[in-house]
Amino acid sequence: EIVMTQSPATLSVSPGERATLSCRASQSVSSNLAWYQQKPGQAPRLLIYGASTRATGIPARFSGSGSGTEFTLTISSLQSEDFAVYYCQQYNNWPLKFGQGTKVEIK
Amino acid sequence: EVQLVESGGGLVQPGRSLRLSCTASGFTFGDYAMSWVRQAPGKGLEWVGFIRSKAYGGTTEYAASVKGRFTISRDDSKSIAYLQMNSLKTEDTAVYYCTRGVVVVAVTRYYFDYWGQGTLVTVSS
Repeated sequence: EIVMTQSPATLSVSPGERATLSCRASQSVSSNLAWYQQKPGQAPRLLIYGASTRATGIPARFSGSGSGTEFTLTISSLQSEDFAVYYCQQYNNWPLKFGQGTKVEIK
Repeated sequence: EVQLVESGGGLVQPGRSLRLSCTASGFTFGDYAMSWVRQAPGKGLEWVGFIRSKAYGGTTEYAASVKGRFTISRDDSKSIAYLQMNSLKTEDTAVYYCTRGVVVVAVTRYYFDYWGQGTLVTVSS
């Protein structure tokens, strides 16, 4: 089974700054990679699918890149509502797997 | 507006069974795959299982941790997906989310675009 590894575990960023989150797959998942945002007490929300396609209603400050085994989620200018936990998930192979999450906190 | 509403969670003893329901609205339920994802208290997300739409055979996939104990089914006439959980263990304690699966036709892969708010299952004696 594929193992998804996210880094860093916690990212401290000031509002207005750029945040770069990484996700690595133990074997190629092609571009079948999604990113989700989860705030405390809420369900996850789809941000990115196909490694780089923003979901409906997602602001342009969120962007995804990568293919194969290395992926990146970039938040160009962090807003207060962006402080949350972010998960990557591969959907190329069964079983589907999530990364362990990156918490983006206020610096 | 797409809505997914889970129900059926609660406190159950180890070894017992529980059935969760996911009631969908705002879209043609039968056209979509459905999946269940869980989150143990303070932990990350864990995919549980998946059921394809009838157009793709209505077949299922499961995580190894639940295979043989959990069963996913669907009733397209009622727009409901079910998660039947048998032989429950304490480690099954989690919030269970229902999600809608969107097929990428070219590669027959699925991502999850809408999520319910979840229902808490607590397995304890």
